[in-house]
Amino acid sequence: AQTVTQSQPEMSVQEAETVTLSCTYDTSESNYYLFWYKQPPSRQMILVIRQEAYKQQNATENRFSVNFQKAAKSFSLKISDSQLGDTAMYFCAFISPQGAQKLVFGQGTRLTINP
Amino acid sequence: DTEVTQTPKHLVMGMTNKKSLKCEQHMGHRAMYWYKQKAKKPPELMFVYSYEKLSINESVPSRFSPECPNSSLLNLHLHALQPEDSALYLCASSQNPAMQQETQYFGPGTRLLVL
Repeated sequence: AQTVTQSQPEMSVQEAETVTLSCTYDTSESNYYLFWYKQPPSRQMILVIRQEAYKQQNATENRFSVNFQKAAKSFSLKISDSQLGDTAMYFCAFISPQGAQKLVFGQGTRLTINP
Repeated sequence: DTEVTQTPKHLVMGMTNKKSLKCEQHMGHRAMYWYKQKAKKPPELMFVYSYEKLSINESVPSRFSPECPNSSLLNLHLHALQPEDSALYLCASSQNPAMQQETQYFGPGTRLLVL
């Protein structure tokens, strides 16, 4: 069974700093997809970024980028120039064709951006 | 428009009540999901509908009864719930049930309190 581990339950940084959230996963499959979702306090969960395992190039979306290390089964999220609006719970998630339509989530990292 | 809507936003019910949660999307998505999320935890998958048919039931108690009347609408009927069922109930949708790698779009959730 696939598992996703986020080893940082909570993180806190100052506004404008760069922060990296870690995520590791365990799977025996070679074809799969990874996601970072953001859930602000009392607000909707939204997709931040996604990565296809067969693509070597790391995905980027504006201030958000990932460091995907397939051999190490690592998928970290880097947030540059952090903003107050980045305060949220961040979930790393995994899905594979063999896993039907089941997203496997990590336990989440609560990120606080301080002014 | 990547919007999934859910009603009501909040619901308080007694253990003998019958209530329903509603989820709607107009993105033409053919996969829809119900998740349960406890505070500070990741979402847990409950049900998946593919092309309006139930494709996954994660061994959810029968006091939760899903229904998909059409491709845009998903209901969750609640009956004889327990206090431990209090949680945030999230609906999500994705475009093509056959393509597991597709992004799931989440609604804002219904916060349920069972007294």
